[in-house]
Amino acid sequence: DAGVTQSPTHLIKTRGQQVTLRCSPKSGHDTVSWYQQALGQGPQFIFQYYEEEERQRGNFPDRFSGHQFPNYSSELNVNALWLGDSALYLCASSSGGFYSGANVLTFGAGSRLTVL
Amino acid sequence: GQQLNQSPQSMFIQEGEDVSMNCTSSSIFNTWLWYKQDPGEGPVLLIALYKAGELTSNGRLTAQFGITRKDSFLNISASIPSDVGIYFCAGQLYGGSQGNLIFGKGTKLSVKP
Repeated sequence: DAGVTQSPTHLIKTRGQQVTLRCSPKSGHDTVSWYQQALGQGPQFIFQYYEEEERQRGNFPDRFSGHQFPNYSSELNVNALWLGDSALYLCASSSGGFYSGANVLTFGAGSRLTVL
Repeated sequence: GQQLNQSPQSMFIQEGEDVSMNCTSSSIFNTWLWYKQDPGEGPVLLIALYKAGELTSNGRLTAQFGITRKDSFLNISASIPSDVGIYFCAGQLYGGSQGNLIFGKGTKLSVKP
């Protein structure tokens, strides 16, 4: 049973470019959350998608946007990249949307973005 | 963004030693979680705590949910080499989404040279 899969695993972009990261949730999960983990820091919540809608958002600018598809997979898009956007981007999946228990959150291995 | 206060930032362990780390917050949480992250991997859940005062074990790991709901600790007994890694506490705010966790900065466990 595949867990959360993310692609690409590594990528390099330059300032001002745009990037799209992809996530396939664990089988049976319908909710996807995205996190940004800067080097030496804990993950920070970007947003959560459930039923193809953004349900909750953390303290991130509008340059960060997302999408959830009918098969529950999700994309994270970041426009106008800054050097400070360099980080590991983690996708986490769960089931049941907003009020399910926190222990069902399963993380992927992440996409490492480097902005030059 | 908001982060939990996790300490120590790093520690060195010798095989067989007990290890303690803790997390504090100015906010009240209704769930505390402890994760371990190995290089190149995402965080993996170790222990979840749901009630103030709750003490939960998972093998050699023991964690407690503080009575004030603003803190938690994790103990590892009789450490082994595979315990090396980064440990994160995470909390779910009261009324918050289960997908929206607030993390500490991590405690890095390394082996004593």
